[in-house]
Amino acid sequence: AQSVTQLGSHVSVSEGALVLLRCNYSSSVPPYLFWYVQYPNQGLQLLLKYTTGATLVKGINGFEAEFKKSETSFHLTKPSAHMSDAAEYFCAVSENSGNTPLVFGKGTRLSVIA
Amino acid sequence: EPEVTQTPSHQVTQMGQEVILRCVPISNHLYFYWYRQILGQKVEFLVSFYNNEISEKSEIFDDQFSVERPDGSNFTLKIRSTKLEDSAMYFCASISARVYRPGNTIYFGEGSWLTVV
Repeated sequence: AQSVTQLGSHVSVSEGALVLLRCNYSSSVPPYLFWYVQYPNQGLQLLLKYTTGATLVKGINGFEAEFKKSETSFHLTKPSAHMSDAAEYFCAVSENSGNTPLVFGKGTRLSVIA
Repeated sequence: EPEVTQTPSHQVTQMGQEVILRCVPISNHLYFYWYRQILGQKVEFLVSFYNNEISEKSEIFDDQFSVERPDGSNFTLKIRSTKLEDSAMYFCASISARVYRPGNTIYFGEGSWLTVV
């Protein structure tokens, strides 16, 4: 079974600083990987996803993530944090059989300090 | 932009009571899901629904849970006799694909907080 580990339940950065949210997965087959974001009082919104092809994936709001097979990682980054980036971020992996679409990590809450 | 809507946003119920959580998926979507997140834990898959029947369910989705698409637009999750451990955020989600592929984008609602006391 596939699984996702997000290191750090809470990350705090200063406005303008680099954002790095870590995600590691386990999978016996090539995974499909996703980052979702949940802003306060809103639903889960897709930030970006990796399916095949280029391992560096760009998403909305200036975020990007790189699939590194050798490290089984899919860390999310943004060069310069903005106050509006404060939210809960979820990494997820897709199983490749059946209709169970996503296996999620526990989430990381990002705080941005002025 | 079309979105998945869920009601209620928050419900408090007494242990043993029945609860129905409602969802309106995006109108042309075909696959529907319920996920839940117990506070501090992972978002967990409960059930998927396609063509008016359950296509897959997790071990969490036991006999006290049921889903229904009563009128072609709503998609409901019923918990027959709530327990304290059912307290969680419940997310409804949908995808448009006729045939599910692992890379499909899943659209989630805002969630319904259920508190069982």
